[in-house]
This record gives sequence, C-alpha cells and structure tokens, in this order.
Amino acid sequence: KAGVTQTPRYLIKTRGQQVTLSCSPISGHRSVSWYQQTPGQGLQFLFEYFSETQRNKGNFPGRFSGRQFSNSRSEMNVSTLELGDSALYLCASRGTEVPGELFFGEGSRLTVL
Amino acid sequence: GESVGLHLPTLSVQEGDNSIINCAYSNSASDYFIWYKQESGKGPQFIIDIRSNMDKRQGQRVTVLLNKTVKHLSLQIAATQPGDSAVYFCAVPNNNAGNMLTFGGGTRLMVKP
Repeated sequence: KAGVTQTPRYLIKTRGQQVTLSCSPISGHRSVSWYQQTPGQGLQFLFEYFSETQRNKGNFPGRFSGRQFSNSRSEMNVSTLELGDSALYLCASRGTEVPGELFFGEGSRLTVL
Repeated sequence: GESVGLHLPTLSVQEGDNSIINCAYSNSASDYFIWYKQESGKGPQFIIDIRSNMDKRQGQRVTVLLNKTVKHLSLQIAATQPGDSAVYFCAVPNNNAGNMLTFGGGTRLMVKP
C-alpha cells in the first residue's frame, strides 16, 4: 500500500510570503498530524486532524494553520513567513492498531530567505 | 509539560557490536513509550513501543527496556549493521489519543564497518 505522500518536497520562500503544504495519508487512515523538525528545536507537534476536525494543537502561533478534507488529505498553511519557519515539515498518518505508531512522509523542506 | 531527554547526541559503534541508546522522561503517567528511527532524507519510522506495565520488550534485533523507578528508557540493537545508521528518537504521548507525541532530541548512531 502506498505510504504518506507530501508535496512539495522542497520549496524556497521569502519573508512575508505564505506557503501551503499538502499531505496524502495512507489509504484508510483518518488521522493526520503535522510536525515541524529543526536542528535547534527537534521534532515539535503542530496539530492533528481527524475526520476533518482539528483534534489537538501544539504551541505554535496562529500563523500556522491546517485543514483536512473529506478524503483525509490534509494541508497546512504558514502565513507571513519568518526566517525561523525554515524547517522540515513532516506529516504523519495513523491507523488504529498501534496507538503510537505514526507513519511519516518524507517531509517538505521549507527554506525562508 | 512533558519532556523527553537523551543522554548522548552521537553514538559510534563497530559493525557487529551491540548498541545502546538511552532516553530519560519526566511524565511517569505515560501509558507507553516509543522509539523511532530516522534515516537521512526520510521521515521517522516506528521501531518498537513498550507499555508502561512492562519492563522489557523484544523485537527483531531490538530490545527496549523501561525503568520506571528512574524514568529511563533504552533501546538496544543487537549486532549493529550499517543500515542501522540513523538518528533514533524516543517519544511519549501527550494524551490518550496517541497522535500528539513529544520527541526526544535524538541520538545519531554511526556504524563503522
């Protein structure tokens, strides 16, 4: 079965711009969560969606938002980009078998100049 | 809040030796603990988890030990192979849903041929 797919893989933006990242979960997985990975802060939870509803949210400013569609695909948006938003953004989907087993995509590498 | 820490940022082992990666946690109320492996250019991959009512769990070449008294978790890899070279993260859930994970800072395992 296909894994989690994230697009785009790489992108470069300038400060003040906004960006939208997309994630297609594993077929049948209804839960999608997003994480930000940076060398300084490591892996940090952004938010989680289940059946189109945001179920949990991490400690990030309101510039970070997301949504989930009826087919479980998810997008996250970052507005008014700052240099510190440069990171690898990882999407993960989860089935129902093992609670902590998240299936991660390869990530979207965002560089803000 | 939850915090997860790692003792060593980099571990270098000889191929064929056993590897031990350690992790300390603060929230003793966690129901389970998880180990992830992240290879270069990829997203984290679930390795193994252990329930809080267990002291030890074995998988294929991996063993996780849980010492609740000192809030310590370790991942042992037997007969380490070059393919084991990666960054290893321990993680704990922040809530019962299991999708909101707090990750440790990561340990880079380097396997020397």
